[in-house]
Amino acid sequence: QSALTQPPSASGSPGQSVTISCTGTSSDVGGYEYVSWYQQHAGKAPKLMIYEVTKRPSGVPDRFSGSKSGNTASLTVSGLQAEDEADYYCSSYAGSNDYVFGTGTKVTVL
Amino acid sequence: EVQLVASGGAVVQPGGSLRLSCAASGFTFNDYVMHWVRQAPGEGLEWISLISWGGGSTYYADSVKGRFTISRDNNKNSLYLQMNSLRAEDTALYYCVKGRTSSTTSCFDYWGQGTLVTVSS
Repeated sequence: QSALTQPPSASGSPGQSVTISCTGTSSDVGGYEYVSWYQQHAGKAPKLMIYEVTKRPSGVPDRFSGSKSGNTASLTVSGLQAEDEADYYCSSYAGSNDYVFGTGTKVTVL
Repeated sequence: EVQLVASGGAVVQPGGSLRLSCAASGFTFNDYVMHWVRQAPGEGLEWISLISWGGGSTYYADSVKGRFTISRDNNKNSLYLQMNSLRAEDTALYYCVKGRTSSTTSCFDYWGQGTLVTVSS
């Protein structure tokens, strides 16, 4: 499985929105409603932010939202805050009990 | 509170073996699938293995198939990863990760702090 494609970086000023794309194929992102997103602060373990494309775990602010169209999933962070500065990874179920992660996007709050 | 404490990471020579352990607490361990995910220094995340809630089914990424073995002891709330024929490219921080449900399509909802494996002569 090849890694899902994400932009290396994204940025926005506090209060603005940023959207990160995650492009795969019909064998992973496009084929299943099992896309998830993870936030990783420097030196820390990843944290689940979105699962099953659009669902937010308890405790994740509603500023974080997910969507999918065809083979591309997206994570939008609205009302950017300083603490949102982190690396973000998408992941998708890829069939046959296989999983694939995205290449990662570094979000900078200007 | 869910806690996943991984241990066993070390510096090992190419071709060597290592066994990682993960002690789980704060949830009913045998209700959930478990994963190992790794992250090479300065790199992204790579899923490497999954085990079903009962331990009867195991799955691996092609990069480790035939060399790594995942197992669990539900009586001890513990997850393991036996790593053989280690290569330099296996150098990474290894995360013990809880599945969100008992299904093998479950995503990764809690991550431990990781244990570092360095393969070097």
